[in-house]
Amino acid sequence: AQSVTQLGSHVSVSEGALVLLRCNYSSSVPPYLFWYVQYPNQGLQLLLKYTSAATLVKGINGFEAEFKKSETSFHLTKPSAHMSDAAEYFCAVSEIRDDKIIFGKGTRLHILP
Amino acid sequence: GAGVSQSPSNKVTEKGKDVELRCDPISGHTALYWYRQSLGQGLEFLIYFQGNSAPDKSGLPSDRFSAERTGGSVSTLTIQRTQQEDSAVYLCASSLHLGETQYFGPGTRLLVL
Repeated sequence: AQSVTQLGSHVSVSEGALVLLRCNYSSSVPPYLFWYVQYPNQGLQLLLKYTSAATLVKGINGFEAEFKKSETSFHLTKPSAHMSDAAEYFCAVSEIRDDKIIFGKGTRLHILP
Repeated sequence: GAGVSQSPSNKVTEKGKDVELRCDPISGHTALYWYRQSLGQGLEFLIYFQGNSAPDKSGLPSDRFSAERTGGSVSTLTIQRTQQEDSAVYLCASSLHLGETQYFGPGTRLLVL
């Protein structure tokens, strides 16, 4: 069975600092991995997606994530945080031929001025 | 349409009443998905449709929940005899084909009193 663990339900970083949101997954088959963002009172928006091509995936808004099979991790990073990055971020996994997306509990990112 | 739309955006109902939630996918998208987002459970997959058929209904929380899709387009999620634990945001997503990127609607916020 697939599962996703996001470390830290709340993360605070200063504006301009590195953003690092941690995600570990469990899957019995090679997974698809996703990061979604949800801004206040808005729907989910796909940030980036890993589909077994390049292990470093670049997404929108300057975010990227690296797939590390040995660590079963898919951490999300951004070199320099902006105030507009304040939102909730969800890591998710699905099996390649299964379209059920299993989401993590989410990490709320706070940006400090 | 330009994106996935859902109606109503908010619904308040009394315990024991039935509710219907509607999802209009992006035009031309063949696959449609329902998820539930609640405080206690995070984001849960409920059901998906390929065309008008739903191969896997195991994600529905109970037999009070049902979903249908007609004409390969609009889908309705019905909750019978609502309970307070049904209170959540119900999210719909669609993708061009099964296994491709899912685009989410803004959700329907359901409150059962």
